[in-house]
Amino acid sequence: GEDVEQSLFLSVREGDSSVINCTYTDSSSTYLYWYKQEPGAGLQLLTYIFSNMDMKQDQRLTVLLNKKDKHLSLRIADTQTGDSAIYFCAESGGSYIPTFGRGTSLIVHP
Amino acid sequence: SQTIHQWPATLVQPVGSPLSLECTVEGTSNPNLYWYRQAAGRGLQLLFYSIGIGQISSEVPQNLSASRPQDRQFILSSKKLLLSDSGFYLCAWSSQQATGGFGPGTRLTVT
Repeated sequence: GEDVEQSLFLSVREGDSSVINCTYTDSSSTYLYWYKQEPGAGLQLLTYIFSNMDMKQDQRLTVLLNKKDKHLSLRIADTQTGDSAIYFCAESGGSYIPTFGRGTSLIVHP
Repeated sequence: SQTIHQWPATLVQPVGSPLSLECTVEGTSNPNLYWYRQAAGRGLQLLFYSIGIGQISSEVPQNLSASRPQDRQFILSSKKLLLSDSGFYLCAWSSQQATGGFGPGTRLTVT
């Protein structure tokens, strides 16, 4: 089956940039997503990118896609303590049913 | 705009008791609907998805079931809960345009 892999933890200092990486195996992926889950809350869709794009920028967020290597990254500029959360990478193909990674816990310290 | 409601927010149930979690979506028609579970230390696991009323696909064998009695209503049920059913349950919707969203989640603790 399809796999989505991401590291479990990332610790950054407030004001620095955070880069969360994700790899996937499904070569037929059509959409790739980043979700944010704050403690005790549901998932929030941060952004998504079509597989025919290689970059998408939205304010402090930059998504980079290397389709050849099946590598997706999320860069958060000027990381704040409010960015502390679990970030899920996900991909979906033509069925639109996403497969999720295990999530990366981002810890922002002063 | 679309909104998704899910309740209850938290639930503590004894082993062997029944379960009913409800999810409703507003602002869209004929969405795909999903139930996910997130267990402690694990990623999201797709439990059920539905592409239309009465159409349910199960992704994992377990003592849970799902029903879709109306276009924008999705229900997760169990006749007898197990300890292993504890977790965080998320309802989600999506459209053919890759838009979608998640409900606020239900934290279920089976004691």
